Amino acid sequence: DGGITQSPKYLFRKEGQNVTLSCEQNLNHDAMYWYRQDPGQGLRLIYYSQIVNDFQKGDIAEGYSVSREKKESFPLTVTSAQKNPTAFYLCASSIETGLDTQYFGPGTRLTVL
Amino acid sequence: QKEVEQNSGPLSVPEGAIASLNCTYSDRGSQSFFWYRQYSGKSPELIMSIYSNGDKEDGRFTAQLNKASQYVSLLIRDSQPSDSATYLCAVRGYQKVTFGIGTKLQVIP
Repeated sequence: DGGITQSPKYLFRKEGQNVTLSCEQNLNHDAMYWYRQDPGQGLRLIYYSQIVNDFQKGDIAEGYSVSREKKESFPLTVTSAQKNPTAFYLCASSIETGLDTQYFGPGTRLTVL
Repeated sequence: QKEVEQNSGPLSVPEGAIASLNCTYSDRGSQSFFWYRQYSGKSPELIMSIYSNGDKEDGRFTAQLNKASQYVSLLIRDSQPSDSATYLCAVRGYQKVTFGIGTKLQVIP
């Protein structure tokens, strides 16, 4: 089955720790995205990547980092510099960053203890 | 002015009625428009996309686009309790998709 997987589903972090969220897709999509969703707010773009070894900051990149070493994988690291990391994190992909539709993974819910 | 505006609701409709969800956007150069459905605790799933003015129908769902008025809507006919969810409007401008906050729909049996 083709799709996007994210792991873990739930993640708990102590203050001061870095954590990495996994996102993998087997749709052969070129573009991948990371969003953050908070209650009462729309999805906000953190980072996106159009091709391997290239990525761009979104609207709220501070405190986050990404890599794109493989077409299938786009992990997100939430660093200790992110002051309010508790949120629902969504990974998405699309064939390209043109007109094409974005499809979402199941999400990771991160809670800072 | 927000780039994509939606009424957060909740919008309550009785089972079998038509639910009308609305969205306005600010970027006149926007090219593509999407409606996603999101159940509580789950990720968004695509319902419809629309690219040109007019109506697009898919089963019980109809998307309507009016670029002159910068307005896109989603009609759900014969609403079912399983349609109860938050509906996100998404608009693609230059290299970026912007999402609204979503409208929560409650279908009352």
